[in-house]
Amino acid sequence: QQKVQQSPESLIVPEGGMASLNCTSSDRNVDYFWWYRQHSGKSPKMLMSIFSNGEKEEGRFTVHLNKASLHTSLHIRDSQPSDSALYLCAASIDSNYQLIWGSGTKLIIKP
Amino acid sequence: ETAVFQTPNYHVTQVGNEVSFNCKQTLGHDTMYWYKQDSKKLLKIMFSYNNKQLIVNETVPRRFSPQSSDKAHLNLRIKSVEPEDSAVYLCASSWGLAGAETLYFGSGTRLTVL
Repeated sequence: QQKVQQSPESLIVPEGGMASLNCTSSDRNVDYFWWYRQHSGKSPKMLMSIFSNGEKEEGRFTVHLNKASLHTSLHIRDSQPSDSALYLCAASIDSNYQLIWGSGTKLIIKP
Repeated sequence: ETAVFQTPNYHVTQVGNEVSFNCKQTLGHDTMYWYKQDSKKLLKIMFSYNNKQLIVNETVPRRFSPQSSDKAHLNLRIKSVEPEDSAVYLCASSWGLAGAETLYFGSGTRLTVL
């Protein structure tokens, strides 16, 4: 049973639109959530992290966290074709060595 | 800017052969990892190595073994490959433990077992 669930599995958004991606953990010991982006044929790169309730904004990217529901979401405004990628959510349990990864959301931005 | 270097990029081999993959990081990080990414893109931790302490994911078959000469290098050896080992193997590094630190990944080694 996967401890980190991502939805949707895939998402198509028109260029300039808003993309919203979701991630939920079933483990109450989660303390950090991470979002990584992986372009096709490339390795994952860290996009944003969050550990406090509320939201965090960096440019076009905003991440929300609700610790009570163990739910985080990533929002990309003014989506660009270069945002097309696999978005991976990961949760750390008690800040130990291990990250639990979701299976990703494949985002396609249509020009 | 690449700071975690993996070789080779691709490797094709036959069932039963032994393979070795190399990884080097120039970031001065304390911890290195090997991940397996399957065809569905799911990332699974295989090993982490911190200050000469090896932490092994108990689900990893014994034919896999990590090898480290210092904190900047962590290689992966597969003693007798099987078809289900076909995947992309990603090396990564971080300051301290992955839970609270950003992971920096190498470009990966794609293994195909015939």
